[in-house]
Amino acid sequence: GESVGLHLPTLSVQEGDNSIINCAYSNSASDYFIWYKQESGKGPQFIIDIRSNMDKRQGQRVTVLLNKTVKHLSLQIAATQPGDSAVYFCAVPVYNQGGKLIFGQGTELSVKP
Amino acid sequence: GAGVSQSPSNKVTEKGKDVELRCDPISGHTALYWYRQRLGQGLEFLIYFQGNSAPDKSGLPSDRFSAERTGESVSTLTIQRTQQEDSAVYLCASSLGGTTNTEAFFGQGTRLTVV
Repeated sequence: GESVGLHLPTLSVQEGDNSIINCAYSNSASDYFIWYKQESGKGPQFIIDIRSNMDKRQGQRVTVLLNKTVKHLSLQIAATQPGDSAVYFCAVPVYNQGGKLIFGQGTELSVKP
Repeated sequence: GAGVSQSPSNKVTEKGKDVELRCDPISGHTALYWYRQRLGQGLEFLIYFQGNSAPDKSGLPSDRFSAERTGESVSTLTIQRTQQEDSAVYLCASSLGGTTNTEAFFGQGTRLTVV
Protein backbone atom coordinates (compact mmCIF):
# COMPACT_ATOMS: atom_id res chain seq x y z
CA GLY A 1 0.00 0.00 0.00
CA GLU A 2 0.90 3.66 -0.03
CA SER A 3 3.41 4.85 2.52
CA VAL A 4 5.04 8.16 3.10
CA GLY A 5 8.16 8.70 5.13
CA LEU A 6 10.38 11.50 6.23
CA HIS A 7 14.12 11.41 6.48
CA LEU A 8 14.50 13.39 9.70
CA PRO A 9 12.13 13.73 12.64
CA THR A 10 13.64 17.05 13.84
CA LEU A 11 15.45 19.93 12.21
CA SER A 12 17.04 22.89 13.97
CA VAL A 13 18.12 25.93 11.98
CA GLN A 14 19.35 29.42 12.68
CA GLU A 15 17.01 32.30 11.96
CA GLY A 16 17.69 33.59 8.47
CA ASP A 17 19.08 30.30 7.17
CA ASN A 18 17.30 28.18 4.59
CA SER A 19 15.52 25.00 5.71
CA ILE A 20 15.05 21.83 3.71
CA ILE A 21 12.57 19.17 4.76
CA ASN A 22 12.48 15.91 2.87
CA CYS A 23 9.83 13.30 2.16
CA ALA A 24 9.84 9.97 0.32
CA TYR A 25 6.81 8.22 -1.13
CA SER A 26 6.35 4.67 -2.29
CA ASN A 27 3.94 4.64 -5.22
CA SER A 28 5.38 5.78 -8.53
CA ALA A 29 1.82 6.36 -9.81
CA SER A 30 1.20 9.09 -7.21
CA ASP A 31 0.42 12.31 -9.04
CA TYR A 32 -0.27 14.92 -6.39
CA PHE A 33 1.65 15.98 -3.31
CA ILE A 34 0.91 18.42 -0.52
CA TRP A 35 2.88 20.03 2.27
CA TYR A 36 1.21 21.01 5.52
CA LYS A 37 2.39 23.04 8.50
CA GLN A 38 1.06 22.28 11.96
CA GLU A 39 1.65 24.71 14.81
CA SER A 40 1.23 23.61 18.37
CA GLY A 41 -2.40 23.10 19.32
CA LYS A 42 -3.71 23.73 15.81
CA GLY A 43 -4.85 21.67 12.87
CA PRO A 44 -2.54 21.24 9.86
CA GLN A 45 -2.51 24.17 7.48
CA PHE A 46 -1.95 23.88 3.73
CA ILE A 47 1.34 25.38 2.55
CA ILE A 48 1.90 24.34 -1.04
CA ASP A 49 1.13 21.53 -3.44
CA ILE A 50 2.62 20.13 -6.62
CA ARG A 51 1.36 17.84 -9.35
CA SER A 52 3.45 15.19 -11.02
CA ASN A 53 3.70 17.11 -14.29
CA MET A 54 5.94 19.62 -12.52
CA ASP A 55 9.38 19.34 -10.93
CA LYS A 56 9.30 22.57 -8.97
CA ARG A 57 6.76 24.99 -7.62
CA GLN A 58 7.38 28.18 -5.74
CA GLY A 59 5.30 30.07 -3.23
CA GLN A 60 6.07 32.86 -0.86
CA ARG A 61 9.44 31.88 0.70
CA VAL A 62 8.67 28.21 0.05
CA THR A 63 9.63 25.94 -2.82
CA VAL A 64 8.64 22.34 -3.35
CA LEU A 65 10.83 20.10 -5.47
CA LEU A 66 9.63 16.79 -6.86
CA ASN A 67 11.94 14.05 -8.09
CA LYS A 68 9.77 11.34 -9.56
CA THR A 69 12.73 9.17 -10.49
CA VAL A 70 13.61 8.52 -6.86
CA LYS A 71 10.12 9.23 -5.47
CA HIS A 72 11.25 12.09 -3.32
CA LEU A 73 9.99 15.56 -2.60
CA SER A 74 11.35 18.36 -0.52
CA LEU A 75 10.12 21.58 1.00
CA GLN A 76 12.54 24.47 1.06
CA ILE A 77 11.91 27.47 3.28
CA ALA A 78 13.98 30.54 2.51
CA ALA A 79 15.20 32.89 5.24
CA THR A 80 13.60 30.82 7.99
CA GLN A 81 11.85 32.85 10.67
CA PRO A 82 10.81 31.99 14.25
CA GLY A 83 7.20 31.85 13.03
CA ASP A 84 8.17 28.93 10.80
CA SER A 85 8.72 26.75 13.86
CA ALA A 86 6.19 23.93 13.53
CA VAL A 87 5.79 20.34 12.41
CA TYR A 88 5.77 19.89 8.66
CA PHE A 89 3.99 16.98 6.99
CA CYS A 90 3.94 15.78 3.44
CA ALA A 91 0.74 14.14 2.27
CA VAL A 92 -0.05 12.01 -0.75
CA PRO A 93 -3.46 10.87 -2.04
CA VAL A 94 -3.52 7.09 -2.35
CA TYR A 95 -3.55 6.24 -6.03
CA ASN A 96 -6.89 4.93 -7.27
CA GLN A 97 -8.58 5.37 -3.91
CA GLY A 98 -10.41 8.54 -4.71
CA GLY A 99 -8.11 10.96 -3.00
CA LYS A 100 -7.68 9.38 0.44
CA LEU A 101 -4.76 11.29 1.95
CA ILE A 102 -1.90 9.57 3.72
CA PHE A 103 0.47 11.65 5.82
CA GLY A 104 4.12 11.25 6.65
CA GLN A 105 5.22 11.23 10.28
CA GLY A 106 6.27 14.86 10.27
CA THR A 107 9.46 16.87 10.76
CA GLU A 108 9.62 19.27 13.68
CA LEU A 109 11.36 22.45 12.63
CA SER A 110 12.90 24.59 15.36
CA VAL A 111 14.24 28.03 14.50
CA LYS A 112 16.91 29.45 16.79
CA PRO A 113 16.97 33.25 17.10
CA GLY B 1 -19.07 28.27 7.08
CA ALA B 2 -15.70 29.71 6.26
CA GLY B 3 -13.72 26.71 7.48
CA VAL B 4 -14.00 23.23 8.91
CA SER B 5 -15.59 23.34 12.33
CA GLN B 6 -15.21 20.63 14.96
CA SER B 7 -16.97 20.25 18.28
CA PRO B 8 -16.35 19.95 21.09
CA SER B 9 -12.84 21.38 21.09
CA ASN B 10 -12.04 19.42 24.24
CA LYS B 11 -13.69 16.36 25.74
CA VAL B 12 -12.84 14.56 28.94
CA THR B 13 -14.64 11.28 29.45
CA GLU B 14 -14.49 8.35 31.79
CA LYS B 15 -13.19 5.04 30.59
CA GLY B 16 -16.02 2.90 29.25
CA LYS B 17 -18.25 5.80 28.20
CA ASP B 18 -19.27 6.53 24.61
CA VAL B 19 -18.33 9.80 22.92
CA GLU B 20 -19.49 11.57 19.77
CA LEU B 21 -17.31 14.02 17.90
CA ARG B 22 -18.79 16.33 15.31
CA CYS B 23 -17.38 17.80 12.12
CA ASP B 24 -18.94 20.48 9.92
CA PRO B 25 -17.03 20.54 6.63
CA ILE B 26 -16.67 23.45 4.25
CA SER B 27 -19.85 23.90 2.22
CA GLY B 28 -19.59 22.23 -1.16
CA HIS B 29 -16.79 19.88 -0.17
CA THR B 30 -17.71 16.34 -1.12
CA ALA B 31 -14.75 14.65 0.54
CA LEU B 32 -14.39 14.36 4.31
CA TYR B 33 -11.63 12.73 6.34
CA TRP B 34 -11.11 11.78 9.97
CA TYR B 35 -7.62 11.40 11.42
CA ARG B 36 -6.28 10.63 14.85
CA GLN B 37 -3.15 12.29 16.16
CA ARG B 38 -1.51 11.07 19.33
CA LEU B 39 0.79 13.41 21.20
CA GLY B 40 3.95 14.10 19.24
CA GLN B 41 2.99 11.82 16.40
CA GLY B 42 1.74 12.02 12.84
CA LEU B 43 -1.77 11.81 11.45
CA GLU B 44 -3.29 8.36 11.50
CA PHE B 45 -5.98 7.89 8.85
CA LEU B 46 -9.31 6.66 10.23
CA ILE B 47 -12.06 7.01 7.64
CA TYR B 48 -12.78 8.81 4.36
CA PHE B 49 -16.10 9.82 2.81
CA GLN B 50 -16.37 10.80 -0.84
CA GLY B 51 -19.76 11.91 -2.09
CA ASN B 52 -22.25 9.07 -2.20
CA SER B 53 -19.61 6.35 -2.43
CA ALA B 54 -19.21 3.79 0.32
CA PRO B 55 -16.83 5.23 2.94
CA ASP B 56 -13.28 3.93 3.20
CA LYS B 57 -13.20 2.59 6.75
CA SER B 58 -9.86 0.86 6.43
CA GLY B 59 -8.21 3.01 9.12
CA LEU B 60 -10.69 2.45 11.94
CA PRO B 61 -8.66 0.73 14.69
CA SER B 62 -11.46 -1.39 16.15
CA ASP B 63 -15.20 -1.98 15.98
CA ARG B 64 -15.61 0.52 18.82
CA PHE B 65 -15.03 3.24 16.24
CA SER B 66 -17.68 4.26 13.72
CA ALA B 67 -18.50 7.33 11.67
CA GLU B 68 -21.44 8.62 9.73
CA ARG B 69 -21.97 11.44 7.32
CA THR B 70 -25.27 13.03 6.42
CA GLY B 71 -25.20 13.60 2.67
CA GLU B 72 -22.33 15.96 1.98
CA SER B 73 -22.54 17.80 5.26
CA VAL B 74 -22.05 16.99 8.93
CA SER B 75 -20.09 13.95 10.06
CA THR B 76 -19.96 12.34 13.48
CA LEU B 77 -17.24 10.05 14.76
CA THR B 78 -18.42 7.79 17.56
CA ILE B 79 -16.15 5.92 19.93
CA GLN B 80 -17.89 3.35 22.09
CA ARG B 81 -16.60 2.07 25.43
CA THR B 82 -13.67 4.46 25.37
CA GLN B 83 -10.26 3.27 26.51
CA GLN B 84 -7.29 5.31 27.73
CA GLU B 85 -5.42 4.59 24.50
CA ASP B 86 -8.17 6.47 22.64
CA SER B 87 -6.84 9.71 24.14
CA ALA B 88 -5.68 11.83 21.22
CA VAL B 89 -6.62 14.77 19.04
CA TYR B 90 -9.20 13.82 16.44
CA LEU B 91 -8.90 15.91 13.30
CA CYS B 92 -11.46 16.33 10.56
CA ALA B 93 -10.69 17.65 7.09
CA SER B 94 -12.67 18.29 3.94
CA SER B 95 -11.79 18.83 0.31
CA LEU B 96 -13.58 19.45 -2.97
CA GLY B 97 -13.13 15.80 -3.92
CA GLY B 98 -14.03 14.61 -7.40
CA THR B 99 -11.62 13.29 -9.98
CA THR B 100 -8.98 15.97 -9.49
CA ASN B 101 -7.08 15.88 -6.23
CA THR B 102 -7.07 19.09 -4.26
CA GLU B 103 -5.82 20.05 -0.85
CA ALA B 104 -7.74 19.17 2.27
CA PHE B 105 -8.63 21.81 4.84
CA PHE B 106 -8.48 20.87 8.49
CA GLY B 107 -10.47 21.83 11.53
CA GLN B 108 -8.83 22.63 14.84
CA GLY B 109 -9.48 19.16 16.18
CA THR B 110 -11.17 17.66 19.22
CA ARG B 111 -8.81 16.81 22.06
CA LEU B 112 -10.17 13.66 23.71
CA THR B 113 -8.92 12.64 27.13
CA VAL B 114 -10.08 9.35 28.60
CA VAL B 115 -9.58 9.12 32.36
